Amino acid sequence: KQEVTQIPAALSVPEGENLVLNCSFTDSAIYNLQWFRQDPGKGLTSLLLIQSSQREQTSGRLNASLDKSSGRSTLYIAASQPGDSATYLCALSGGGADGLTFGKGTHLIIQP
Amino acid sequence: DGGITQSPKYLFRKEGQNVTLSCEQNLNHDAMYWYRQDPGQGLRLIYYSQIVNDFQKGDIAEGYSVSREKKESFPLTVTSAQKNPTAFYLCASSITGVVYGYTFGSGTRLTVV
Repeated sequence: KQEVTQIPAALSVPEGENLVLNCSFTDSAIYNLQWFRQDPGKGLTSLLLIQSSQREQTSGRLNASLDKSSGRSTLYIAASQPGDSATYLCALSGGGADGLTFGKGTHLIIQP
Repeated sequence: DGGITQSPKYLFRKEGQNVTLSCEQNLNHDAMYWYRQDPGQGLRLIYYSQIVNDFQKGDIAEGYSVSREKKESFPLTVTSAQKNPTAFYLCASSITGVVYGYTFGSGTRLTVV
């Protein structure tokens, strides 16, 4: 069964820093990997989707990479802002539209 | 705008009562899902449906029931058999057969009183 681990569980950094959030998974037979953002008490907002054949995706200050062979993905946030404070979730699909497997998330605080 | 609507936003259940959470989508997605989120546990899959009139159990289906009579709607009933129903419930949808990703609703917070 696929297991997803996100490190660190929590992170607090000053505004302006570049930072990396990590996601590791045990089964490399994935269909795609999706990074989400969740604000307190809210639903999930999709940030980036990486297909299994891709190595990375970029959107604005966000860059996500995928290394299937090592079972790892990273989310890079450049020039962090207080508005980036949220919980970031990594989720994997094994294909077949049978749902996503989630990590427990990284709770990120950007200090003004 | 297309999206997923979950209602109500907050729901309170008395002991022994069944309650139903609504999930409606206008994205024309084939598949729909229900997840439960507890602090420190991440999201866990309750039920999913890939087509109308068909659904499958997820990892924690006990104490829950669903129906899929229309493509747009996938209601979740939390029955009295669910002993610890207090949680945040999230509905999602996706297109089958295409690498498109999943879209989530804004959630329903259920509390037992």
